Amino acid sequence: DQQVKQNSPSLSVQEGRISILNCDYTNSMFDYFLWYKKYPAEGPTFLISISSIKDKNEDGRFTVFLNKSAKHLSLHIVPSQPGDSAVYFCAAKTGANNLFFGTGTRLTVIP
Amino acid sequence: NAGVMQNPRHLVRRRGQEARLRCSPMKGHSHVYWYRQLPEEGLKFMVYLQKENIIDESGMPKERFSAEFPKEGPSILRIQQVVRGDSAAYFCASSPVRLADYNEQFFGPGTRLTVL
Repeated sequence: DQQVKQNSPSLSVQEGRISILNCDYTNSMFDYFLWYKKYPAEGPTFLISISSIKDKNEDGRFTVFLNKSAKHLSLHIVPSQPGDSAVYFCAAKTGANNLFFGTGTRLTVIP
Repeated sequence: NAGVMQNPRHLVRRRGQEARLRCSPMKGHSHVYWYRQLPEEGLKFMVYLQKENIIDESGMPKERFSAEFPKEGPSILRIQQVVRGDSAAYFCASSPVRLADYNEQFFGPGTRLTVL
C-alpha cells in the first residue's frame, strides 16, 4: 500500500523557470514531511522539510508547500538550474521509526 | 566528518549464494535503518536497529533476511540463498537519536545487489 505517491515520474523544465514537484499522501497521521534529492549511484540527500503544523517552508531557491486538507505537498524550485537535475523523493513520517517514500520524480533542467 | 559508509558498492551473487551488506553510520550515530529500492520504485523500509538491538523489523521479509548491529563494527544486512527478486539497491541510513525524536536520516550511497 503506497502511502506516499508521486504521480509524475518525470519533469522537464527550462533553466531559470520554476520547477514544481508534487506529492500526495493518504495517511493523516503523518506529522513531518521531507524532500530528498538523489543523483545516480548516490544515496538520497536531505533537501528541505516541513512540519504538519505549517503550510510553507522556504530555504533559498526551495520552497515546500503543505495542504493538509488535500493531503498534498509540493516542492518549488526557482529559478531552476541544470545542477538541480536529479530524482526527487517525497517522504513522510509518523511517530514511528521509518520514513515512507514516494516513487520519485526525475527532474531534468534544460540549459 | 565522514558520512554514512556502505560497502561493497556493487555486489554480484548467483542464485543460492549469500549476500552480506555492511553499513557504518555517521560518527556519533547509534541508530541505523535499512531500506531497499527495487527498480522504478521508492525506498521501502526494512529494519531499524540500535547497537546490539533490533528495534523494528516490520519491513523485513520473514525468511532469508537478517540484520545485526553489533557493539563493535558495522551493521550487517545478510541475505541467504539469494534469488533474482532480491536484486535491488540497498540503502542504509543513520540518525543520532531515534527518528521519532528527530526528523532526518542521513543516507549512505547504497549497495547495488545483482543476482544472476
